[in-house]
Amino acid sequence: AQSVTQLDSHVSVSEGTPVLLRCNYSSSYSPSLFWYVQHPNKGLQLLLKYTSAATLVKGINGFEAEFKKSETSFHLTKPSAHMSDAAEYFCVLMDSSYKLIFGSGTRLLVRP
Amino acid sequence: GAVVSQHPSRVICKSGTSVKIECRSLDFQATTMFWYRQFPKQSLMLMATSNEGSKATYEQGVEKDKFLINHASLTLSTLTVTSAHPEDSSFYICSAHMPGTHDGYTFGSGTRLTVV
Repeated sequence: AQSVTQLDSHVSVSEGTPVLLRCNYSSSYSPSLFWYVQHPNKGLQLLLKYTSAATLVKGINGFEAEFKKSETSFHLTKPSAHMSDAAEYFCVLMDSSYKLIFGSGTRLLVRP
Repeated sequence: GAVVSQHPSRVICKSGTSVKIECRSLDFQATTMFWYRQFPKQSLMLMATSNEGSKATYEQGVEKDKFLINHASLTLSTLTVTSAHPEDSSFYICSAHMPGTHDGYTFGSGTRLTVV
């Protein structure tokens, strides 16, 4: 069965420092993986997606993620956090029937 | 880009009444839409898959008689919460799959339902 595990429920960083949000997946086939961001009481915005092309994926707002098959990971990074990055982030796996499987989410807090 | 409009954004209703939430794809035709439920500080849980012109497919544990889904056109899916109770209070989000794409999904902005 496919699954997604987000290793941290909360991550707190200072503005201007790097961000690392961790995600591991389990899949019996080559997966499609996404990172979405959700601001309070809002829908979801796609940050980036991996679909078996380049393993380093660049997204919007300076975010990027690297697909590592050997580690079954798809961690999200950003070199320098901004206050506006504070939100909930979801790592998502698309299963074989095109359903999206969501991780439990990581709340990113950015300290001034 | 692809846009999905979800209405209403917020609704408060009395226990026992029904509430309808609409999800529209504005600039593309969506044969498949998805409905999710999100409890406070939790992740999104898929409730059902809505297919245009056919019955929705519900996930295990979701009461199909309580959460009625209709996908009568290629641009509109509706979720009706029937005989709502306070425990139905939640954030409901729809998503539309873009035909011809392997991984193109667009989400609505969500509906905050409060049952009093």
